[in-house]
Amino acid sequence: DAKTTQPPSMDCAEGRAANLPCNHSTISGNEYVYWYRQIHSQGPQYIIHGLKNNETNEMASLIITEDRKSSTLILPHATLRDTAVYYCIVRVAGTGKLIFGQGTTLQVKP
Amino acid sequence: DTAVSQTPKYLVTQMGNDKSIKCEQNLGHDTMYWYKQDSKKFLKIMFSYNNKELIINETVPNRFSPKSPDKAHLNLHINSLELGDSAVYFCASSLAGGPKNIQYFGAGTRLSVL
Repeated sequence: DAKTTQPPSMDCAEGRAANLPCNHSTISGNEYVYWYRQIHSQGPQYIIHGLKNNETNEMASLIITEDRKSSTLILPHATLRDTAVYYCIVRVAGTGKLIFGQGTTLQVKP
Repeated sequence: DTAVSQTPKYLVTQMGNDKSIKCEQNLGHDTMYWYKQDSKKFLKIMFSYNNKELIINETVPNRFSPKSPDKAHLNLHINSLELGDSAVYFCASSLAGGPKNIQYFGAGTRLSVL
């Protein structure tokens, strides 16, 4: 079973920031949080990952709470092409195993 | 150049047939995976190979047999296909070890069993 819970769907206006929340209250100290997205009919695409510090790359920012029980993925300026299912995943420590949950379907609207 | 490529993209076949899906990666990775995405869109890992050795084997029927001839290839053979095998199958690869272990996915193979 997935160790994360996410809202099933969210809307965001084009050009605005999209903030996608994720709860992972049972995360272990050495487990990383990964975010992937799946645009319709494509394979999942890596976005970002983190352990306990906030992270930023060219695609997004990841904010992890101090207790590590939740995180938020931020797409700073959402575009229509960001419409996708976003998966928050806790990678099982010591393995490459990614357990995908149901994800959040983000709809970016003009 | 496609990093992780799967063939075929679409596969339509009859129940009871045997079929194979091929996967190749040109990223120099040492670990490859097969995932299944069913009609409800849940993605589940099936197998993983590291340096041609099986390291993850989820509760998958033994009609499914992965084969890794080398680090760059991981094929999936399915015997006696059933209706419930209809799904999209994704191959992925990564470089094992360390915290990153970012997995790169192929475009998927849509299998329809009639």
